[in-house]
Amino acid sequence: DAKTTQPPSMDCAEGRAANLPCNHSTISGNEYVYWYRQIHSQGPQYIIHGLKNNETNEMASLIITEDRKSSTLILPHATLRDTAVYYCIVRVAPGVADKLIFGTGTRLQVFP
Amino acid sequence: NAGVTQTPKFQVLKTGQSMTLQCAQDMNHNSMYWYRQDPGMGLRLIYYSASEGTTDKGEVPNGYNVSRLNKREFSLRLESAAPSQTSVYFCASSERGVRTGRLHSNQPQHFGDGTRLSIL
Repeated sequence: DAKTTQPPSMDCAEGRAANLPCNHSTISGNEYVYWYRQIHSQGPQYIIHGLKNNETNEMASLIITEDRKSSTLILPHATLRDTAVYYCIVRVAPGVADKLIFGTGTRLQVFP
Repeated sequence: NAGVTQTPKFQVLKTGQSMTLQCAQDMNHNSMYWYRQDPGMGLRLIYYSASEGTTDKGEVPNGYNVSRLNKREFSLRLESAAPSQTSVYFCASSERGVRTGRLHSNQPQHFGDGTRLSIL
């Protein structure tokens, strides 16, 4: 599975958009980009995933560059409850078992 | 909805003691996983079970054994605990991904709240 690079930490004002970048320059054609987050010491929570087109759900939007070497997770209106560690993961399509490889992620701090 | 339930939530062991961490899911998922998370690090996969009756090693399997008791339950055993196994342990489950159109369906992993294990 491809390796990802994320900034260790970011800040965002409450109500503003939080844009979390991820580099995955060695991604291969059949690998998806996944985002999870971990709030405090809870178990990770799935946010969104995509292959090569932009994706949006009720939590966030995922923008993947045309060459697929990087992506951005967008939380459109960050709240204090979005303070968490965000993990960008790339892996092949979910199949029989979904072996996720977590890096160290980006610690997002949302401030009032 | 209980989701993924882990027991116990906290445990302190002495070096050399044995311990089984329990995990159960009520979502009828086929796949289950065990991860460990050390301070300041991401999760690392210990073992996983793609379906009932099968188990496979992950990134860091040494010192652990697992049992997929049935579709609902997946336990992790430490036969002889070592201080290096002090960590937070997370269990997760997921369903198989199914391709619909251009994108595989959303089959995320659902995680439990973790077991905090300290070995003295």
